[in-house]
Amino acid sequence: DIVMTQSPDSLAVSLGERATINCKSSQSVLYSSNNKNYLTWYQQKPGQPPKLLIYWASTRESGVPDRFSGSGSGTDFTLTITSLQAEDVAVYYCQQYYSPPYTFGQGTKLEI
Amino acid sequence: QLQLQESGPGLVKPSETLSLTCIVSGGSISSSSYYWGWIRQPPGKGLESIGSIYYSGSTYYNPSLKSRVIISVDTSKNQISLKLRSVTAADTAVYFCVRHHVVPAGLGWFDPWGQGTLVTVSS
Repeated sequence: DIVMTQSPDSLAVSLGERATINCKSSQSVLYSSNNKNYLTWYQQKPGQPPKLLIYWASTRESGVPDRFSGSGSGTDFTLTITSLQAEDVAVYYCQQYYSPPYTFGQGTKLEI
Repeated sequence: QLQLQESGPGLVKPSETLSLTCIVSGGSISSSSYYWGWIRQPPGKGLESIGSIYYSGSTYYNPSLKSRVIISVDTSKNQISLKLRSVTAADTAVYFCVRHHVVPAGLGWFDPWGQGTLVTVSS
């Protein structure tokens, strides 16, 4: 199984500041035949299901604010939230879909 | 707007079978672009993919659960079902129904998600 490890486990960021969450996979999730990274990011607010933010490591889902961005390739990825808003308080998960079983990181709790 | 709604018993006894149903509305479960699946989240913990099914009946199961899981599809009712047998307290979790996107070379991200249903395993 591909193990996904996020860091940090939690972080506190001031309103209007930048938040950076890292995700590392135990093997590369870059598919050579199409040069795509098989990685996605989700946001889960308390009492709600996860919501898709980004797929292909850097493609923002429709309707997701552009303060959310994804970057990275191979085994190291980053979710960046610029100008943090109060509604961004949540747990963020990365997930690989390079090979089954489709595994998630342990989550990063973002607080103000 | 696509919606997924889980239903089933909230309490299951140890060693028995957990059974859940997910009704899909606002779209057809027979789309060629998607599988339909289940993900679970123990209270206060992370996410685990259980498995997914195509409208034709083709399935993917997480190997860690494969021996105990059956996912089925009923296209006439636009729904999928989950059966997890021989449950223990470790199977206590919120169970989410999800649409699982087909991507080149396999399956991809999960979107959207149902609201989830809490299943507690206890005598």
